[in-house]
Amino acid sequence: QQQVKQSPQSLIVQKGGISIINCAYENTAFDYFPWYQQFPGKGPALLIAIRPDVSEKKEGRFTISFNKSAKQFSLHIMDSQPGDSATYFCAASSGAGSYQLTFGKGTKLSVIP
Amino acid sequence: GAGVSQSPSNKVTEKGKDVELRCDPISGHTALYWYRQRLGQGLEFLIYFQGNSAPDKSGLPSDRFSAERTGESVSTLTIQRTQQEDSAVYLCASSKGGTKETQYFGPGTRLLVL
Repeated sequence: QQQVKQSPQSLIVQKGGISIINCAYENTAFDYFPWYQQFPGKGPALLIAIRPDVSEKKEGRFTISFNKSAKQFSLHIMDSQPGDSATYFCAASSGAGSYQLTFGKGTKLSVIP
Repeated sequence: GAGVSQSPSNKVTEKGKDVELRCDPISGHTALYWYRQRLGQGLEFLIYFQGNSAPDKSGLPSDRFSAERTGESVSTLTIQRTQQEDSAVYLCASSKGGTKETQYFGPGTRLLVL
């Protein structure tokens, strides 16, 4: 049973546009929601993370929006650049086993000039 | 400082053979994780080590998979009698502690079982 559903599977955005990736979760015990960025041949790297006590977190061009009632969270990349082209994974963990991250299947983002 | 390193970077083996994958965590990180990433899929948790505590092996898919860690240093993931469905990228991560600490990933070992 997939506990974190991520969409879309792939995304093409023009340079300067907004990239939006969505995730939905089922486990109401989840209380930590990180996003990871992975370039080809590299391991994932933490991009930004949010906890459910806030509805939005912004770091530079990257923003996480969180909707606790809908059990959804999304990543917005403003002014998308070709260097942002990578695979993005959302993840979640719960307080009980909070080291164990449950990942979405990933979104391959391509930003075209 | 140095990040998480893994070796080998690529491994091709024949079905039925045993393989060992190595992970060197970031110095001082007490927690170490192994994940499996199949093509087009997210990461699947395999096993977690925290200091001298008993490891959490709940993600290991079968008894052909095992892992060891020496103190707070190197870890090896062993897959016995490899099967074609074991083909994947095996990622190691480490963190300062366990709970909600940022996990830093290595580049992975790409395993292909023929």
